[in-house]
Amino acid sequence: SAVISQKPSRDICQRGTSLTIQCQVDSQVTMMFWYRQQPGQSLTLIATANQGSEATYESGFVIDKFPISRPNLTFSTLTVSNMSPEDSSIYLCSVLFSSGGYNEQFFGPGTRLTVL
Amino acid sequence: QKEVEQNSGPLSVPEGAIASLNCTYSDRGSQSFFWYRQYSGKSPELIMSIYSNGDKEDGRFTAQLNKASQYVSLLIRDSQPSDSATYLCAVNGNNRLAFGKGNQVVVIP
Repeated sequence: SAVISQKPSRDICQRGTSLTIQCQVDSQVTMMFWYRQQPGQSLTLIATANQGSEATYESGFVIDKFPISRPNLTFSTLTVSNMSPEDSSIYLCSVLFSSGGYNEQFFGPGTRLTVL
Repeated sequence: QKEVEQNSGPLSVPEGAIASLNCTYSDRGSQSFFWYRQYSGKSPELIMSIYSNGDKEDGRFTAQLNKASQYVSLLIRDSQPSDSATYLCAVNGNNRLAFGKGNQVVVIP
């Protein structure tokens, strides 16, 4: 598996501001994903971060609200723009790691965001 | 119908007993199935992967897959207090993981 780190681990932000979350992996990975987990809920996929091209967003998520960068195969950022209290959530970076011909997905430690 | 369903409520088991978790999925074309464990305040941790029908054992964990019936289950033998967590079932379809809502397991000493 890969070692995945995220920064910041948590933050408290004011309404209307933006926060950029960084995800760093210790090895090159083909696919990276960003998820959201709201309190008491399961994981919801926001988008797939594509290296060298625009991210692929899931239904209900748009680039203007959640711009994503992926400049190389080990790093990605997710920005939560123009935040509102409804954006309070845990944001998780995830990577696809291949082993023995099978793909497995691992998660970073998460970023706990509170919007006031 | 939701993609991945975990319908059971919180599960309380005595220490040393077997905890049994079930999950059903809707996409018959799914090929990869996973169980994640998530402790409160932590991110999900992959504990089991299963790709073919039958049982797969790893330590005290056994995953069972039945593609014809579209269900996957997880058994935790000799449950320990450290097993108290939420267990998420995930199914790979259309090149992305779909997650169930999770089942909370509480192991009572």
